[in-house]
Amino acid sequence: GQQVMQIPQYQHVQEGEDFTTYCNSSTTLSNIQWYKQRPGGHPVFLIQLVKSGEVKKQKRLTFQFGEAKKNSSLHITATQTTDVGTYFCADGRGSNYKLTFGKGTLLTVNP
Amino acid sequence: DVKVTQSSRYLVKRTGEKVFLECVQDMDHENMFWYRQDPGLGLRLIYFSYDVKMKEKGDIPEGYSVSREKKERFSLILESASTNQTSMYLCASSLLGLARNEQFFGPGTRLTVL
Repeated sequence: GQQVMQIPQYQHVQEGEDFTTYCNSSTTLSNIQWYKQRPGGHPVFLIQLVKSGEVKKQKRLTFQFGEAKKNSSLHITATQTTDVGTYFCADGRGSNYKLTFGKGTLLTVNP
Repeated sequence: DVKVTQSSRYLVKRTGEKVFLECVQDMDHENMFWYRQDPGLGLRLIYFSYDVKMKEKGDIPEGYSVSREKKERFSLILESASTNQTSMYLCASSLLGLARNEQFFGPGTRLTVL
């Protein structure tokens, strides 16, 4: 089935440094959703990108959808300890309900 | 706020036992999902349902079955639990027919099969 590759698997940063996780597919993505899972918690929806080249911001978080709709990224500026967790991207598969999740990027932040 | 609840946070069962994991959502969502989450493997879809009594296999349905008798409740059944089914199980729900089909997750059930 269609796969969504997410890199890196792990990222450790000092507080204040920036962080980026990437989501890539060999085929065109229908839409991309991003979720955050805090340690011991469950995934929580952050945002959805639909249009080619779309860029959305949420405070220190910037989400991008590639022009060819085959990749996406999440960038965090000046990380804080509250950013710790696993960030997942998910492809909507062209349906209105199923998602294919990437394996996630675990972010740890050293205070 | 949407609330998705799961019957247990932690569960310990023995090999061969029949296991029921229950999920209830309170927002009248049509779609419900069962995932398992394992380190390094991310979230893998086991089964989903888009209506009462309707179900479809996900990516890893082997060894599992599901039941959806009421719209708000989606049950995952392990007919004969095995040690390789030790995992975190996450239930989720979403609305049908929206351009934005975000999923709302329950807190998860950590199942250990001995």
